[in-house]
Amino acid sequence: AQSVTQLGSHVSVSEGALVLLRCNYSSSVPPYLFWYVQYPNQGLQLLLKYTTGATLVKGINGFEAEFKKSETSFHLTKPSAHMSDAAEYFCAVSGGYQKVTFGTGTKLQVIP
Amino acid sequence: DGGITQSPKYLFRKEGQNVTLSCEQNLNHDAMYWYRQDPGQGLRLIYYSQIVNDFQKGDIAEGYSVSREKKESFPLTVTSAQKNPTAFYLCASSPDSNNQPQHFGDGTRLSIL
Repeated sequence: AQSVTQLGSHVSVSEGALVLLRCNYSSSVPPYLFWYVQYPNQGLQLLLKYTTGATLVKGINGFEAEFKKSETSFHLTKPSAHMSDAAEYFCAVSGGYQKVTFGTGTKLQVIP
Repeated sequence: DGGITQSPKYLFRKEGQNVTLSCEQNLNHDAMYWYRQDPGQGLRLIYYSQIVNDFQKGDIAEGYSVSREKKESFPLTVTSAQKNPTAFYLCASSPDSNNQPQHFGDGTRLSIL
């Protein structure tokens, strides 16, 4: 069985401030982890993925995430928020033969 | 450019009516998926298909049906048995069904008249 918990359904940051979106997962097999972004009335777009190897993963638009097995976490960060980062972000997990499980999403608001 | 096309963008259903949502991909992906998105609930899997002429129920298949007659196409029918169909529906595909990131269409928003 697998699950994803995203802490905070809404997060607000000031423009230029650090973005931190939290994701914790549960998986009985080595996980594959993903972050997606969704803009209003659009589909999801892959930001980054962790499969194996390097635990710090860099993605598009300046985002990165670190896989921490001991903490079962895969938090998404960006050093400096931009207005265009305002969107909803989804963490997802898969592994073995299980279908991907998505978190419930975190809406990021960027305040000018 | 390769991608996934969902149509229509907006759809309205009358009581007792079946409606079909279209999903076409030109990515040559084997696996395709249908998700339902409701505010605050994330994405819930309705049906998925790993290969042509085969598909499996997801977590919330009741009131929905699908077909996979061609690799490129995976239409979803919302039947009259689905009592609460108002939602945003997303189609996705992946090269295969094992741990690959998914590519998404832009969704269809279904509302009840």
